Amino acid sequence: DAMVIQNPRYQVTQFGKPVTLSCSQTLNHNVMYWYQQKSSQAPKLLFHYYDKDFNNEADTPDNFQSRRPNTSFCFLDIRSPGLGDAAMYLCATSRDLAEETQYFGPGTRLLVL
Amino acid sequence: SQQGEEDPQALSIQEGENATMNCSYKTSINNLQWYRQNSGRGLVHLILIRSNEREKHSGRLRVTLDTSKKSSSLLITASRAADTASYFCATEDPLYAGKSTFGDGTTLTVKP
Repeated sequence: DAMVIQNPRYQVTQFGKPVTLSCSQTLNHNVMYWYQQKSSQAPKLLFHYYDKDFNNEADTPDNFQSRRPNTSFCFLDIRSPGLGDAAMYLCATSRDLAEETQYFGPGTRLLVL
Repeated sequence: SQQGEEDPQALSIQEGENATMNCSYKTSINNLQWYRQNSGRGLVHLILIRSNEREKHSGRLRVTLDTSKKSSSLLITASRAADTASYFCATEDPLYAGKSTFGDGTTLTVKP
């Protein structure tokens, strides 16, 4: 049974056209993360939510926003995608913050035309 | 930077051989985790080793941690073609709960 679900798996958008990626979880975990992973690179943490508390990484561009309307869902909004934002976007969850395994979704691959 | 660095970047072996991947990091950690990623997919957690542990086993996987050298190794014994994937280490910053920093990964190819 899928525990962390990401939709869509592939997303094509146009330069400058806002796009929203979706993540849901059935684990009832407190923490949800969004990572950006470019080809052959390490996943890079963009931000995370601990319950409703939002924590933004210092170097995450303002172009990237996130919403967590409830425990199960978390969204990544890219307000004005640029060509450099084409990447795999990974959602992950963990029960708590410290010393916890992260459970990853399958990712959404974003293509910007 | 807390980021782990892994070597080798790429490793190609025959089925049945052992594969060893190494991870080095720069500052103190709470724990170190190894993840696996099949091409175009999400990451799958393999093992977590805490800073006070030296070795852990899980099936064909063996992880060691040497905090004095700030390094860890992942050994996969009797490799199979299905082990072909990228393997990442991730370190947790003791000062910033929730932040795991991933290394660039080792791409393992196991030839049948």
